[in-house]
Amino acid sequence: AQSVTQLDSHVSVSEGTPVLLRCNYSSSYSPSLFWYVQHPNKGLQLLLKYTSAATLVKGINGFEAEFKKSETSFHLTKPSAHMSDAAEYFCVVTSVTGNQFYFGTGTSLTVIP
Amino acid sequence: DAGVIQSPRHEVTEMGQEVTLRCKPISGHDYLFWYRQTMMRGLELLIYFNNNVPIDDSGMPEDRFSAKMPNASFSTLKIQPSEPRDSAVYFCASSLFTDTQYFGPGTRLTVL
Repeated sequence: AQSVTQLDSHVSVSEGTPVLLRCNYSSSYSPSLFWYVQHPNKGLQLLLKYTSAATLVKGINGFEAEFKKSETSFHLTKPSAHMSDAAEYFCVVTSVTGNQFYFGTGTSLTVIP
Repeated sequence: DAGVIQSPRHEVTEMGQEVTLRCKPISGHDYLFWYRQTMMRGLELLIYFNNNVPIDDSGMPEDRFSAKMPNASFSTLKIQPSEPRDSAVYFCASSLFTDTQYFGPGTRLTVL
């Protein structure tokens, strides 16, 4: 069975410092992986996705993630946090058929001015 | 494209009333998903459709919940009768084949 674990429920960073949101996955096949962001009272927006092409994936707003099969990880990073990055972030792994998403429990990112 | 459209955005009702949530997927998408988000349980998949046909409804909590997709551009999620524990944000999402899911803005349901 597939699952995803977001290792931190809350992360706080100062504006202008790097962001690291951690995600580990479990899967018996090569899944697709996604990161979504949810701003307060908004829907989920796609940040980036990995689909077995390049292991380093670049997304919107300066975010990127690296797929590491040996570590079963898909951590999300950004070199310099902005106040507008404050939101909830979800890591997602797909089912073997690709048509179902399994969501992590989310990481709440706070950016301190 | 306008993206996934959901209505209403907010719904407040009393226990025992019928609630109908609506979703218009992105044109051309062949998959449609209904999710529920609560603080306690996070994001849960309730049901999904492929080409208007329900494929997996194992996430529907109980018989009070039903979903339909009468055509490729419209779906409903109905709760009858509603209960306070149904209070949540309900999201609709659509995708093309099995690719990225695009989410609507959600409907915030409060059952008093």
